[in-house]
Amino acid sequence: DAGVIQSPRHEVTEMGQEVTLRCKPISGHDYLFWYRQTMMRGLELLIYFNNNVPIDDSGMPEDRFSAKMPNASFSTLKIQPSEPRDSAVYFCASSFYGTGGSPLHFGNGTRLTVT
Amino acid sequence: SQQGEEDPQALSIQEGENATMNCSYKTSINNLQWYRQNSGRGLVHLILIRSNEREKHSGRLRVTLDTSKKSSSLLITASRAADTASYFCAPHGSSNTGKLIFGQGTTLQVKP
Repeated sequence: DAGVIQSPRHEVTEMGQEVTLRCKPISGHDYLFWYRQTMMRGLELLIYFNNNVPIDDSGMPEDRFSAKMPNASFSTLKIQPSEPRDSAVYFCASSFYGTGGSPLHFGNGTRLTVT
Repeated sequence: SQQGEEDPQALSIQEGENATMNCSYKTSINNLQWYRQNSGRGLVHLILIRSNEREKHSGRLRVTLDTSKKSSSLLITASRAADTASYFCAPHGSSNTGKLIFGQGTTLQVKP
């Protein structure tokens, strides 16, 4: 398996622009997570899905952030409009919960810079 | 909160020495997981220890769990420069959801 695939790896955009981050989870995994990592705040859980349904979006910072999972093999995180404080590395992770525990498999992240 | 707190925040050792990192948490758990993050990469799962286990080994890694103290430790024996990374613990709560919340981690530097 190719693992969790995120695109793009790097994104540089100007304040006010719309940004869309993409994630392809590992096939068969029923959980998908979006995290954001900064030096100041560490690794924050933004939102997670179970079987394509958003379960907990309490970590989404503002209405400018939205996430969708139209099918089991694709998810997007959108920021509109973007602001400089959104600059961070955004990670997608997936897991198969099952009955015995649920290790997360992370993608290599998208480094977002908003100028 | 299901978040774990790692200690120390930073650790610097010489190659060949052992490294010990600790994790404390506050709620009851199903399992506790340890992850490693190399610079510029995503987290990688290292080891999962269930609440009914006290110790688990994987290669040079040894993890212990004390549910009475709500704490865990990760020992890396005979460290190598390639072990330089950040290490995170993630307690998986008994609330039967799939989510994991990570702390600030321990940054380990292994000097050659």
